[in-house]
Amino acid sequence: DTEVTQTPKHLVMGMTNKKSLKCEQHMGHRAMYWYKQKAKKPPELMFVYSYEKLSINESVPSRFSPECPNSSLLNLHLHALQPEDSALYLCASSQSSSTNEKLFFGSGTQLSVL
Amino acid sequence: GQSLEQPSEVTAVEGAIVQINCTYQTSGFYGLSWYQQHDGGAPTFLSYNALDGLEETGRFSSFLSRSDSYGYLLLQELQMKDSASYFCAAQTINTNAGKSTFGDGTTLTVKP
Repeated sequence: DTEVTQTPKHLVMGMTNKKSLKCEQHMGHRAMYWYKQKAKKPPELMFVYSYEKLSINESVPSRFSPECPNSSLLNLHLHALQPEDSALYLCASSQSSSTNEKLFFGSGTQLSVL
Repeated sequence: GQSLEQPSEVTAVEGAIVQINCTYQTSGFYGLSWYQQHDGGAPTFLSYNALDGLEETGRFSSFLSRSDSYGYLLLQELQMKDSASYFCAAQTINTNAGKSTFGDGTTLTVKP
């Protein structure tokens, strides 16, 4: 199994809503990542989890809250988002964060904030 | 900070060869990867260089010169399905963890 599975595929939420994005991999990878991608732009790193511990937070606003319940799962909790947060949110994994030359990406969650 | 530069657009015809360049300025650099992303899809890994030289994977090859902070992706025998965005990504590592930083991407259009 070389897949990273993300749910939901699409999400529309209001600025007062709370929602969560979910990501799962069963490749035994020990590093997992959240990236944000706007249309026609590159993926921008948000968070890195290494061995289930948050190791990098790229100065992401606190309205985004990551969680890694175990080595296979990664969540991104969303609260009080702004319309400018509308984007494709990509989860990725790699064998470890020190060998992140080959990232496996999920198909993403297309988020619209109204 | 990290910065990677690549051309914004490249156009070529089916069967041709195209080269997409990437120059980088990063601290803690240890390798350069290439990803392909079709419209509406996720990035998929194509190739990786940690050492100087050429890596060949089928129709795709990638090159790295660490002394010049430069790499390129070479696509041979272009097919219509190769029309996509191509990103170079620099791997860096600090005391916390490693990470990949992406260039702005090159949109490749393959014409019949």
